[in-house]
Amino acid sequence: AQSVAQPEDQVNVAEGNPLTVKCTYSVSGNPYLFWYVQYPNRGLQFLLKYITGDNLVKGSYGFEAEFNKSQTSFHLKKPSALVSDSALYFCAVRDIHNTDKLIFGTGTRLQVFP
Amino acid sequence: DADVTQTPRNRITKTGKRIMLECSQTKGHDRMYWYRQDPGLGLRLIYYSFDVKDINKGEISDGYSVSRQAQAKFSLSLESAIPNQTALYFCATMSSTDTQYFGPGTRLTVL
Repeated sequence: AQSVAQPEDQVNVAEGNPLTVKCTYSVSGNPYLFWYVQYPNRGLQFLLKYITGDNLVKGSYGFEAEFNKSQTSFHLKKPSALVSDSALYFCAVRDIHNTDKLIFGTGTRLQVFP
Repeated sequence: DADVTQTPRNRITKTGKRIMLECSQTKGHDRMYWYRQDPGLGLRLIYYSFDVKDINKGEISDGYSVSRQAQAKFSLSLESAIPNQTALYFCATMSSTDTQYFGPGTRLTVL
C-alpha cells in the first residue's frame, strides 16, 4: 500500500539552529512528493514539491527538501530556524493509482524556542 | 486562503442534526476535495469532485454526502451528525500541477 510516514510527532529546535522534519515514503515507481505547513487556525499551505530533476528542492519561507531515492526519504530542512516557523508540517505523496489524490502523513509539530 | 473560503468557521450542533458545510473557490480549479483532520491521524479524504457531474468517494465517506453546485462551489453535508464526526474539516482545490490549495477550515463539534 502507498503511504508516507512522519516518524516524529514533534520536533523541538532552538531559534537559529538548523531544523529537519523527516518523511519517508512507500510508493512504487517515481513519486510526486509534497510538503505543506499548517499555522494555528489556518488551512494547509503549500511549501514545496518534488516531481523530477534536481534532488534538492527549494520552497517557500527558506525551506528546502532533499529527495533520496535509495532511502525513500523526503526530509524537510531549513538552515536557521525562526520562532515563526513553529507549526504543523505535513508530508504528502501523489497516489500513483489515482493521480488526482494526495496521501498525507500524520503531521509533525515543529516547535522553535527563542 | 482567501481563494478558498469555507462557511461556517465554527459550528456546535447536537447529535442527529443535519449540518451543511460550504466551500467556495475563485481559483478556477476543476478538482475540489473535502478532508477531515483529527489529531494524530493527519488528513483523511471524504469526497472529491472533478466537476458538477463527477463525484467520488474518499476513504471515509460513510455518514457524509456532497453536492457540487458549480465549478466554484462544493458542499459537504452530515445528514445525521454523531459525536465521532467532531473534527476540523477542510475544503481544497487542486491545480493542474497537482498543488492543493486549502480553505481555512471549519471546526465542527457534535454534542
